[in-house]
Amino acid sequence: GQNIDQPTEMTATEGAIVQINCTYQTSGFNGLFWYQQHAGEAPTFLSYNVLDGLEEKGRFSSFLSRSKGYSYLLLKELQMKDSASYLCAVKRDDKIIFGKGTRLHILP
Amino acid sequence: EAGVAQSPRYKIIEKRQSVAFWCNPISGHATLYWYQQILGQGPKLLIQFQNNGVVDDSQLPKDRFSAERLKGVDSTLKIQPAKLEDSAVYLCASSLTQSGANVLTFGAGSRLTVL
Repeated sequence: GQNIDQPTEMTATEGAIVQINCTYQTSGFNGLFWYQQHAGEAPTFLSYNVLDGLEEKGRFSSFLSRSKGYSYLLLKELQMKDSASYLCAVKRDDKIIFGKGTRLHILP
Repeated sequence: EAGVAQSPRYKIIEKRQSVAFWCNPISGHATLYWYQQILGQGPKLLIQFQNNGVVDDSQLPKDRFSAERLKGVDSTLKIQPAKLEDSAVYLCASSLTQSGANVLTFGAGSRLTVL
């Protein structure tokens, strides 16, 4: 998806912490979103970063480094319901471009 | 508030047939998006409207796909004639504006199977 890279799949254990990375081309960048998508359902909004730093929202946190073209989504205290795809989306020139998504599997 | 409504939820057609999808965005949302999501991939932007004007349609295969948003509210996406590779989920999303932190709210999607 237009030079937005994230791992295809990850596996983690219930109760653990997992970090999903996303790298992107910095040209025209003006914001980054993370969305969660359960199988067969529509994406739902998790977070938005436009400035460098960490945004914390409950068990989920998102980090952005604009100069490095890098973001991560951190999920703590993993629950089985967190099994889903996590989509990194970059805003460029008022368009929102999605990466291919990272499929996260949670093991009991 | 009511969410983004899409219909039909499922459609099966044969190649070379035509199909149309309908989307009703959240009331007051000026920006409307159509995305195509092929199984196992992220959503791909097909077309973006701001009110009833097209902001971007650079990835819309215009020889077979068309979309309109009359009166700046509902939108339809048409495919004619369909090809096998058009099998995908067509997601409609809307946002209040296209500037700033414009969070997209997605509809449930229309799943198309082309045989």
